[in-house]
Amino acid sequence: DIVMTQSPDSLAVSLGETATINCRSSQTLLHTSNNKNSLAWYQQKPGQPPKLLIYWASTRESGVPDRFSGSGSGTDFTLTISSLLAEDVAVYYCHQYYSTPYTFGQGTKLEIK
Amino acid sequence: EVQLVDSAGGLVQPGGSLSLSCAASGFTVSSNYMSWVRQAPGKGLEWVSAIYANGRTYYADSVKGRFTISRHISKNTLYLQMNSLRSEDTALYYCARHSPADIGVDAFDIWGLGTMVTVSS
Repeated sequence: DIVMTQSPDSLAVSLGETATINCRSSQTLLHTSNNKNSLAWYQQKPGQPPKLLIYWASTRESGVPDRFSGSGSGTDFTLTISSLLAEDVAVYYCHQYYSTPYTFGQGTKLEIK
Repeated sequence: EVQLVDSAGGLVQPGGSLSLSCAASGFTVSSNYMSWVRQAPGKGLEWVSAIYANGRTYYADSVKGRFTISRHISKNTLYLQMNSLRSEDTALYYCARHSPADIGVDAFDIWGLGTMVTVSS
C-alpha cells in the first residue's frame, strides 16, 4: 500500500500570509506514460464532505480560487495557500489515486494565528 | 445539477448487517468510477471500496470479504452492503465519484453528504 504522510499535522498562519502543506508518498505517483502525478488535495470544513481543490498534483478544480496551488512530482508534493482568508480554516488532505488501495494523508489542520 | 444523495445510516449491533445507498443525479453511475470513503469520528479519511465503469470492484483489506459494492443501472444508484460489522466500522460513509478521465482513474470530484453508521451493542 502507498503510505501518504503530511506535514505538519497542524499550522497557524496569519490572515493574508501564505500557508504551505507538504505531502510525501511512499512510492512514486508519477505515470511515465503521460507524465502526470496521481495526487489530489481536498479541503474539509466541519460538518461538510471533502471538497476537491487540486488534481494531477497541480491542476486546480473549476471554481477553486487561484490562491490555492499545488506543486511537486514523484513522491513529494506541496499545497500552497496564499493570501490566507478566514474561510480557509479547514483540514486539508492529500490523496493518491495511483493505485488501490487509494490512500489519504492524515490531514493538516489549518488555523488562523 | 450533479449530486449524490446518501441514504440514512443507522445503529447496528456487532456482527450485524446494513446496506447503504447513494442516488446520483446529473450523471450516470454506471458510466463512472465510483467509491465509498469513510471517516471515523474525529479521524481522517479512509477509502473503502470502488467500482469501475467496467464493473470491476476493489476493496480495502479492512473490509474485504465483509463489504460488497454494487450499482443499479436503472435506479442510477450506488450501494454498499456491509456484513459482519465491527465497532471499528463506525464512521461517516461518503459515496464519491471519480472525476471522468480520458484514461485511468482520477480524483474524487463529487461527494455525498455522508451517512453515519454506528456499530454498537
